[in-house]
Parts: sequence; C-alpha cells; structure tokens
Amino acid sequence: DAGVIQSPRHEVTEMGQEVTLRCKPISGHDYLFWYRQTMMRGLELLIYFNNNVPIDDSGMPEDRFSAKMPNASFSTLKIQPSEPRDSAVYFCASSPFTRSSGNTIYFGEGSWLTVV
Amino acid sequence: SQKIEQNSEALNIQEGKTATLTCNYTNYSPAYLQWYRQDPGRGPVFLLLIRENEKEKRKERLKVTFDTTLKQSLFHITASQPADSATYLCALDQAGTALIFGKGTTLSVSS
Repeated sequence: DAGVIQSPRHEVTEMGQEVTLRCKPISGHDYLFWYRQTMMRGLELLIYFNNNVPIDDSGMPEDRFSAKMPNASFSTLKIQPSEPRDSAVYFCASSPFTRSSGNTIYFGEGSWLTVV
Repeated sequence: SQKIEQNSEALNIQEGKTATLTCNYTNYSPAYLQWYRQDPGRGPVFLLLIRENEKEKRKERLKVTFDTTLKQSLFHITASQPADSATYLCALDQAGTALIFGKGTTLSVSS
C-alpha cells in the first residue's frame, strides 16, 4: 500500500487566500484524522471522520477552517481566508480501529503551509 | 482539563546507554497508550501500543511500561544508537476516539 498521501507537500500563500489541502487515506481504513503541528502547540487534533462522517470537529480553530470527506478515499481541509498564524504542518492520518490495536494511526508526510 | 506531559523537551545520552522517556497524563482514562517516532520533516510513525490492563510491552530494544495508578508511561530504548535520535511522542486513546498527543521529547544519541 502507498500509505497516506497528502498534497501539496509545500504551500506558500499570501494572507487572505484560500488554501486547500488534500488527503488520500489508506484503503480500508475507517477513520481519517486531520492534525496540525507547530513548535508551540505540538500535534493538535483538528477533526476526525469515521466512515466519511465527521465525528468531532471541536479542534477546528475557527470558522475559517472546514473539512470534508466526500468518499472513503478522499478528504480536504480548507482554510479561507488564510492568516499568517495558520502557518504549520498539517498532517492527515488514517486508522483501521480494532479492539486489539486501538486507533493506531498511520500518518502522511504532511503539508507544510506558510502564509505570508 | 485533559493534559499529557512528556518529561522534557530534549534528552541527550551517549551511545550504548539506556534512554528513558516519561509520559504523564491527567484527567484521562485511556484504554490504550501509544508511542510514536518522528524524524525531522516526516510524519510520526507508530512504534508500540500498550493496553490499560498491561504493565509492560517489549519490541526488540524498546520497552514500554504503563502504570494507570500513577497515570504514567515510561519508554526505554536500550543500547541506544545514533540512529535512535528522533522525537518521540506519546499518545492516548480512549477507545474509539482520536489519539491525543504529547508534545514529544527529542532524543539525541551521541557516538
């Protein structure tokens, strides 16, 4: 399996622009997660889906952030409008939750976002 | 509020020694505790999982303990090598919910 695939790997954008991050989870995984990582705050959970349905979006910082999962093989995280404080690494991850393995998570390589 | 703390941001040890990293948590009742490794510029990679009813788990040179009374996990790397240098993250799972991560401890092993 190719693992979790994220695009773009790097994005530099100007403040106020819309940013769309994309993710293809591992086939067969029922859970999909979006995390954000910064030096100050570490790895923060933004939102997660189970079987394409959003379960908990309490970590989404503001209404400027939105996430969708239209099908089992694709998800997007959108920031509109973007601000410099949104600069971070955004990770998508997926998991085949089982009772024996819990929510062992497989991460993508991240999308490095810089908002100037 | 729920909190996960990893004992230090950085740990420096000499090759061959045992590295011990600590993860403490409050206001959780995790069903599982997991440890991940993250290299610079990469996503975290799963290392070990330990369940709430397990005291210890081993994998090659890695050992994890889990004390639900103390609300603490210890992560040991024996006979450490420079290739073990990375950031190690602990994460808690309340069974069917998303993992919550600590900020990590960056381990540097010098030869």
